[in-house]
Amino acid sequence: GNSVTQMEGPVTLSEEAFLTINCTYTATGYPSLFWYVQYPGEGLQLLLKATKADDKGSNKGFEATYRKETTSFHLEKGSVQVSDSAVYFCALLNTNAGKSTFGDGTTLTVKP
Amino acid sequence: DTGVSQDPRHKITKRGQNVTFRCDPISEHNRLYWYRQTLGQGPEFLTYFQNEAQLEKSRLLSDRFSAERPKGSFSTLEIQRTEQGDSAMYLCASSVDRGRTEAFFGQGTRLTVV
Repeated sequence: GNSVTQMEGPVTLSEEAFLTINCTYTATGYPSLFWYVQYPGEGLQLLLKATKADDKGSNKGFEATYRKETTSFHLEKGSVQVSDSAVYFCALLNTNAGKSTFGDGTTLTVKP
Repeated sequence: DTGVSQDPRHKITKRGQNVTFRCDPISEHNRLYWYRQTLGQGPEFLTYFQNEAQLEKSRLLSDRFSAERPKGSFSTLEIQRTEQGDSAMYLCASSVDRGRTEAFFGQGTRLTVV
């Protein structure tokens, strides 16, 4: 079946530090991959996506590259801000319709 | 605002009572999903609609849970005879009817069963 494994948190960084959150997946075929962000008490917001191998998704300074050979989709940002503090979820969609499979989330706290 | 809308945002109920949640998807989205999220976990799939047809249900969706989307627009999720283990965030999402496309989430309904 499909599964997503994320780096365990929480992650605490100082402002302007470099961020990496690891995500690896198990799936048959060629899933689409996503990163979502969730702020306290809120639903999930799509942060970025990639639909095929070697695609790079990017948004708001965040990037992730779809690596089929390592089945990974690691999230990176060169310089984090306090406002980036949130929970980040990696997810995959492996069918043309139906459920996405999510990781358990990684909590990021950025201190000034 | 044309995002996914959920109502209510918060619900506190006594064990054994029935509750119903509503989701209004983005207007041009044919697909609608329900997920459940507990503290420290990612969303878990409950069920999925394509227009008014319920096409997939998770085994998490016990007999006490029922979802409808009668006219292919808004959807309701009802939980009968609530239990403390039903306490969670219930998330609704919608997407266009086109391949492996991302879903857009509402803000969720936080259910607390006391």
